[in-house]
Amino acid sequence: EVQLLESGGGLTQPGGSLRLSCEASGFSFNSYAMSWVRQAPGKGLEWVSAISSSGGTTYYAESVTGRFTISRDNPKNTVSLQMNSLRAEDTAVYYCVKDLGWLLFRGAFDVWGRGTMVSVSS
Amino acid sequence: EIVLTQSPATQSLSPGERATLSCGASQSVSRNYLAWYQQKPGLAPRLLISDASSRATGIPDRFSGSGSGTDFTLTISRLEPEDFAVYYCQQYGSSPWTFGQGTKVEIK
Repeated sequence: EVQLLESGGGLTQPGGSLRLSCEASGFSFNSYAMSWVRQAPGKGLEWVSAISSSGGTTYYAESVTGRFTISRDNPKNTVSLQMNSLRAEDTAVYYCVKDLGWLLFRGAFDVWGRGTMVSVSS
Repeated sequence: EIVLTQSPATQSLSPGERATLSCGASQSVSRNYLAWYQQKPGLAPRLLISDASSRATGIPDRFSGSGSGTDFTLTISRLEPEDFAVYYCQQYGSSPWTFGQGTKVEIK
């Protein structure tokens, strides 16, 4: 079964840091780009960051550029999101998602994790 | 950045009726790289349609996508009880990839 399992969410103060992790199973992880997509409470979806299948190319939304870093460990089938200088507006459920394209970025997402909640509040 | 505008915000329909959801883009979507997702309360979104009209694996054929350029449509031919949810369009033809604000299909 294809599965993505996120962890690492929680409550932190403004200016704090969190590291999200996502463990993948059931597919050839090193053949697919991965992304993080977030959803603020009661709001819509926002793409946050993407990483290529090899890890050599990364992209970020303007809202998180310079604060968030995406990385992956192919032998361990994991992708991570290091989030620094967190703001209240970063409060959201963060979903780990698998890209539809094999060995390239497509930007559509065919597998979603259950999500992990990040709350930024003093 | 391409802005996607979905209409209507809410559609009230009865089971068995046809649902027509619209997604308009502020600029032409390259190669019609437009996807539709379904999200039920408390759950992650699910991919329905990619490349404007290609159904994802396991998606019933009552779901169909159409359109090109700046105007796209998701049609649900006969609503089943499990189809009442929020639907999002997403463009992935230009960076950054962006989503519409969603259309809620609710039971009338």
